Amino acid sequence: KAGVTQTPRYLIKTRGQQVTLSCSPISGHRSVSWYQQTPGQGLQFLFEYFSETQRNKGNFPGRFSGRQFSNSRSEMNVSTLELGDSALYLCASSLVIQGSSGANVLTFGAGSRLTVL
Amino acid sequence: EDQVTQSPEALRLQEGESSSLNCSYTVSGLRGLFWYRQDPGKGPEFLFTLYSAGEEKEKERLKATLTKKESFLHITAPKPEDSATYLCAAEHLNQAGTALIFGKGTTLSVSS
Repeated sequence: KAGVTQTPRYLIKTRGQQVTLSCSPISGHRSVSWYQQTPGQGLQFLFEYFSETQRNKGNFPGRFSGRQFSNSRSEMNVSTLELGDSALYLCASSLVIQGSSGANVLTFGAGSRLTVL
Repeated sequence: EDQVTQSPEALRLQEGESSSLNCSYTVSGLRGLFWYRQDPGKGPEFLFTLYSAGEEKEKERLKATLTKKESFLHITAPKPEDSATYLCAAEHLNQAGTALIFGKGTTLSVSS
């Protein structure tokens, strides 16, 4: 069973540019979440999508956006890049069982490492 | 404010030297407490979910426990392959959807 696939794995951008990262979830998983990981702040929640709708959003500026397609694949976009956006961006998918109140286990991809110069 | 704090930040052990990692959480209503392992250059890998105080789960040399304010990850007779960063995360009970609050992790190094 294929895991969560993120592309690209590494990229370098300059300040002011924009970037789009892609995530393919595990087959059958309809929830996709994005997290930013930095040495100083650790993992911080960006947003979650379920059935093409943003269900949850973290405390990040509007430069960070995302979307989910009908096949559950997701993209996130960061516009007007700043030096502080350099980080590992992690995508995770989960199998959401309708009507269940239990916590959903996230399966993470290997991440996209963004360096902003 | 919901918060998860892990200690120590780094831990060095000799092979076979048992120890515990701590995760303190302040979440107003806990849906689940997660433990993940992260190796360099990889995404976090799921280990355990704990739901209520008193619950314990085991996997090989790892055992996770949960109280109303803390969770512990006990490592018994560790091996060098247990070296990794261990992450703790909490999910709020009334959270719409899934949004985990992560601690900053404990980096474990086990030498032979």
